[in-house]
Amino acid sequence: GQNIDQPTEMTATEGAIVQINCTYQTSGFNGLFWYQQHAGEAPTFLSYNVLDGLEEKGRFSSFLSRSKGYSYLLLKELQMKDSASYLCAVTDSNYQLIWGAGTKLIIKP
Amino acid sequence: DAMVIQNPRYQVTQFGKPVTLSCSQTLNHNVMYWYQQKSSQAPKLLFHYYDKDFNNEADTPDNFQSRRPNTSFCFLDIRSPGLGDAAMYLCATSTSTEVTDTQYFGPGTRLTVL
Repeated sequence: GQNIDQPTEMTATEGAIVQINCTYQTSGFNGLFWYQQHAGEAPTFLSYNVLDGLEEKGRFSSFLSRSKGYSYLLLKELQMKDSASYLCAVTDSNYQLIWGAGTKLIIKP
Repeated sequence: DAMVIQNPRYQVTQFGKPVTLSCSQTLNHNVMYWYQQKSSQAPKLLFHYYDKDFNNEADTPDNFQSRRPNTSFCFLDIRSPGLGDAAMYLCATSTSTEVTDTQYFGPGTRLTVL
């Protein structure tokens, strides 16, 4: 079966760094997306990785290791507005987007 | 400027009473998707349109139907809502179904079934 695993919830402090992990087992791999979703709102695109390595975009970075079926999203200099759910999604060999349930990130002052 | 618009944002219906959710886009994207998302769960793809070609997911109940009268608009019809259909319904668009294409989401419609 196809599976995306992420921690259900994480807590971090304003100004700190947090790493949200995602592991996947899918039938093939054609890329991995990270989306941010604030409570009651739609997901918004953060990053896309298809090759191994780190992609940096401002305070957010995303890493991929295809051999390990593993990705992480790194958030630096955390702000209160970063409190949200972070969804990992993988495109499989049939070009279907398989979604994780998301990691709820709680930022404390 | 809003790019993917969903109306209404909140919809209340009664058990068994048909309801229609609407989605419009100003991006001129070929593909439009409908997802169902329940609390603390991943979005679940119901179906998508590539232009006028309708693609239904195998496990989408017959109770859910969709219409796409033109490029800009797409509707989700729930013929006989049950209590289990209470959820957030997300509309998304993309240029194509290529793997690198990002999906852009609307704000969602939260459906309550009484």
